[in-house]
Amino acid sequence: AQSVTQLGSHVSVSEGALVLLRCNYSSSVPPYLFWYVQYPNQGLQLLLKYTTGATLVKGINGFEAEFKKSETSFHLTKPSAHMSDAAEYFCAVSASYNTDKLIFGTGTRLQVFP
Amino acid sequence: AAGVIQSPRHLIKEKRETATLKCYPIPRHDTVYWYQQGPGQDPQFLISFYEKMQSDKGSIPDRFSAQQFSDYHSELNMSSLELGDSALYFCASSSSEGQGLPIAYNEQFFGPGTRLTVL
Repeated sequence: AQSVTQLGSHVSVSEGALVLLRCNYSSSVPPYLFWYVQYPNQGLQLLLKYTTGATLVKGINGFEAEFKKSETSFHLTKPSAHMSDAAEYFCAVSASYNTDKLIFGTGTRLQVFP
Repeated sequence: AAGVIQSPRHLIKEKRETATLKCYPIPRHDTVYWYQQGPGQDPQFLISFYEKMQSDKGSIPDRFSAQQFSDYHSELNMSSLELGDSALYFCASSSSEGQGLPIAYNEQFFGPGTRLTVL
């Protein structure tokens, strides 16, 4: 069975500081990995995804994530936080090949202080 | 660009009542997914449909049923509502057209959600 663990339900950074949101996954098959962002009272928006190929993936709004198989991790980073980055971030995994349902982590709420 | 439409956006019901949530996928998308997000929780997969047939099933209570219609819109029917059904219900859609890749590659586009409150 697949699962996702997001370390830290709340992360606070200053504007301009590095953003690091942690995600570890468990999967018995090669996974597809996703990061979604959810702004208040809105739906989920895909930030980036890893399927195959390059392990460092770049997404929207300056975010990127690196798939590290040896560490079963897919941490999300952004070099310089902006006030508009304040939101809830969800890491998700789906089993490759045979299913398209997403298994989400519990989310990390990012706060950005001026 | 057109997005996934969900209606209603907000719904208030009493216990033991029924509710119907509707989802209109992005045009030419053939797959619809339903997720339930409880307060402060992560979204949980409920059910999905591909070409009007159920394609996968998650933790959907027996009191809930869903279907996808010929125009690809989907409805989630919820009966005998309980307080614990209060949640944000997301619909997502994707297209399998021309991908030639394993199914899980199809990006899911999420709607804004329907917030159901059961009193």
